[in-house]
Parts: sequence; C-alpha cells; structure tokens
Amino acid sequence: GESVGLHLPTLSVQEGDNSIINCAYSNSASDYFIWYKQESGKGPQFIIDIRSNMDKRQGQRVTVLLNKTVKHLSLQIAATQPGDSAVYFCAPREDSSYKLIFGSGTRLLVRP
Amino acid sequence: DAGITQSPRHKVTETGTPVTLRCHQTENHRYMYWYRQDPGHGLRLIHYSYGVKDTDKGEVSDGYSVSRSKTEDFLLTLESATSSQTSVYFCAIQGNYGYTFGSGTRLTVV
Repeated sequence: GESVGLHLPTLSVQEGDNSIINCAYSNSASDYFIWYKQESGKGPQFIIDIRSNMDKRQGQRVTVLLNKTVKHLSLQIAATQPGDSAVYFCAPREDSSYKLIFGSGTRLLVRP
Repeated sequence: DAGITQSPRHKVTETGTPVTLRCHQTENHRYMYWYRQDPGHGLRLIHYSYGVKDTDKGEVSDGYSVSRSKTEDFLLTLESATSSQTSVYFCAIQGNYGYTFGSGTRLTVV
C-alpha cells in the first residue's frame, strides 16, 4: 500500500527565514498531492495542492515542488512567521480510490 | 469549518460500550471520510463513503462500522469501545479544493 515518509520530524527555523519541508511517497499511481497544516487542537487545513502533470505550483508565500521521478514533494514557505508554527502533512491521493494517505507529519517551530 | 461539523467534540466512555460519532456537512459533497489521529501515526483512514449507502474500508477499519443514510450525515460507530480506540477522530469531505476537515472529536475510552 501507499506509504508516506517525512525526512525530518521537527524543523526549527528563524523568523523571516525560508522553510523547506520534504515528503517522500511510494506509490507511483498517486496523481494528486495536498499539503495540510495542523495547529494544536484543530483539524488539518488545506494549504496548497498539485497534480501529477505539474512540477511546481505557487501560492501565497508557499511553493510546492513535485519530482515524480524520485517520488518526492517539498513545501517551501517564504519569510516564515510565528503563525506558521504547526505540523505539516503531505497527502498523496490515488485518483482511482479517492483516498488520502497521510504521513506522521513534520513539526515546524519558528524561533523569534 | 466550511460546512462540516462533528459531534460530540469530546466524549468519555467505558470499555465495552457502543459509541456513535456524527459528521454533518451542508455542502452536498459525495465523498466523506473518517480518520483517527494518534501521536506518532499522523492521520489514518478508518472508513470512507462515496455516496448514500456506499462505504468502503480504510487502513484501520477493525472495530468500526459506518453508515450513510443521507448525503449530509456520515456516522462512525464503535460497537464495543476498547482503550485502543482512545483517539482524536476527524471527519473530512472532498470539496472543490482538496479535502476539508472538521474540528475533531476527542474520544477517551476508560
């Protein structure tokens, strides 16, 4: 089945610096990928998504890069702010099943 | 949270008792999901539904059943709660922009 791994369980960055959160996935049939942010005591919130026919997508202060060759995603957050402190999950989806599979998440800590 | 509500928000129950969690959406979306979240495991899919009376199992379905008699409601039932089912349960709907999650139900089985 699908497995999702995250390279760093905790990432600590200085306020104002850029953050990069990495995610590896195993199922080459995954065609759609979503990044979620989860703050303490809340449900996951959609940040940005990307389809498998793209290799880059930009949002407000966030960029997702997809490398299908090595089955790797990254989430880049520009000018990281204290409000970005949270756990971040990548979630690949298989189009045929409409199921999202989550990894254990990366905790982002922003130092003032 | 974008038309999705979970109830109750918190529940404490005894081992062996039945428990039903409710997820309600106002968005008329076809796909609904139940996940559980435990420390070190992220979110794991329990069951999902792709329409009224159409459901399927996820990764961790043992000990859980679901029902969807109306588009707007997706119920998760623990027939006989066990301590291993202590967790935070999230419902999600598949909308136009990814999946939207509810605020969660914290269930404690004592």
